[in-house]
Amino acid sequence: EAQVTQNPRYLITVTGKKLTVTCSQNMNHEYMSWYRQDPGLGLRQIYYSMNVEVTDKGDVPEGYKVSRKEKRNFPLILESPSPNQTSLYFCASSLFGQYTGELFFGEGSRLTVL
Amino acid sequence: AQSVTQPDIHITVSEGASLELRCNYSYGATPYLFWYVQSPGQGLQLLLKYFSGDTLVQGIKGFEAEFKRSQSSFNLRKPSVHWSDAAEYFCAVGVGSSGNQFYFGTGTSLTVIP
Repeated sequence: EAQVTQNPRYLITVTGKKLTVTCSQNMNHEYMSWYRQDPGLGLRQIYYSMNVEVTDKGDVPEGYKVSRKEKRNFPLILESPSPNQTSLYFCASSLFGQYTGELFFGEGSRLTVL
Repeated sequence: AQSVTQPDIHITVSEGASLELRCNYSYGATPYLFWYVQSPGQGLQLLLKYFSGDTLVQGIKGFEAEFKRSQSSFNLRKPSVHWSDAAEYFCAVGVGSSGNQFYFGTGTSLTVIP
């Protein structure tokens, strides 16, 4: 089954404790991206990757890091989480950006930073 | 700056009634336009997209949307709403040289009453 898998789905952590949210897709998509969803703000793009070893900042990259060492994986790293990073996070992939297809979303990862 | 506006935070319609969800965007050129739907606890699913050509586009689940350049709008419509259409709807634009930066509206929550 074609899918985007995120882990963990739910996480409660404390300020400053490094964490990684993994994202994996099995569709051989070149393009992957991360979003955060906050009430009243919709989804905002954090980082995106056009292919392996190619990443770029989205609209709200501060406080986040990403890496793309393999085509299927695109982890989101919070080196020193803060309470304002409490949010619902979505990973998405596409065959090649939005020009050729749709974004396939994972089910989301709800992060709480205390 | 690019922006996407969905002026209706919440809409309630009766089952069988028609539906129109509004979306306006602010961008210098014609962006790539999308509507996504998010069911509770799920990721987002593409309903339809507009890249070029016919300004009336058909999507899944009986939805359609019309691009109006003069109004910078991309409103979503459905002639007869079903109870299963209750969800959150997001309008989005893809901009940039490769359409790889995305801006989402804040969403419209749809309630369907029997």
